[in-house]
Amino acid sequence: RKEVEQDPGPFNVPEGATVAFNCTYSNSASQSFFWYRQDCRKEPKLLMSVYSSGNEDGRFTAQLNRASQYISLLIRDSKLSDSATYLCVVRGRTNSGYALNFGKGTSLLVTP
Amino acid sequence: DTAVSQTPKYLVTQMGNDKSIKCEQNLGHDTMYWYKQDSKKFLKIMFSYNNKELIINETVPNRFSPKSPDKAHLNLHINSLELGDSAVYFCASKGGSSGNTIYFGEGSWLTVV
Repeated sequence: RKEVEQDPGPFNVPEGATVAFNCTYSNSASQSFFWYRQDCRKEPKLLMSVYSSGNEDGRFTAQLNRASQYISLLIRDSKLSDSATYLCVVRGRTNSGYALNFGKGTSLLVTP
Repeated sequence: DTAVSQTPKYLVTQMGNDKSIKCEQNLGHDTMYWYKQDSKKFLKIMFSYNNKELIINETVPNRFSPKSPDKAHLNLHINSLELGDSAVYFCASKGGSSGNTIYFGEGSWLTVV
């Protein structure tokens, strides 16, 4: 079982729509959680950290449910520029230490 | 003024060759990484160094040898390249006030033919 699982999508939504992505992680001892964004042929960039109480940054809201080992990202009022792949990231154990484990990403396409 | 820079950006080479990818960060971070993103877009950690010391080595073939001459540099040397090594290799760094946030370089697109 992968450390971090996401629905790959693609999610095709019209501009202005609200869209939600979900992610589950396998290691209950994981402590840090993030959403990264990756544009086509570019490097991943931090979108936002995810805090236990949930947090919001403009049109983006992240939630964490530790009991269910589940993380979500909500995007309101989608813009064309939101089209990208959204990577769920969990800091946890690897075979030889701690590192950020990335999900495969969820692809979002916002259309006019 | 790029924070994490890696070279070359594109590399096409034949099977069996040896090649290197260089990475430098000017963020003053203590920890640097190499990640591999394959054709299925899965981003997987390969190595991590902290202050020039290897701390993570994730079941990577020993044809891959990282080298960190100082904490601002982490190079990746690959011997006897195979077709399956074709991928995008991302260097990244973390440290200081960035907490657990890691910053990626722009990636090196390696194609083995």
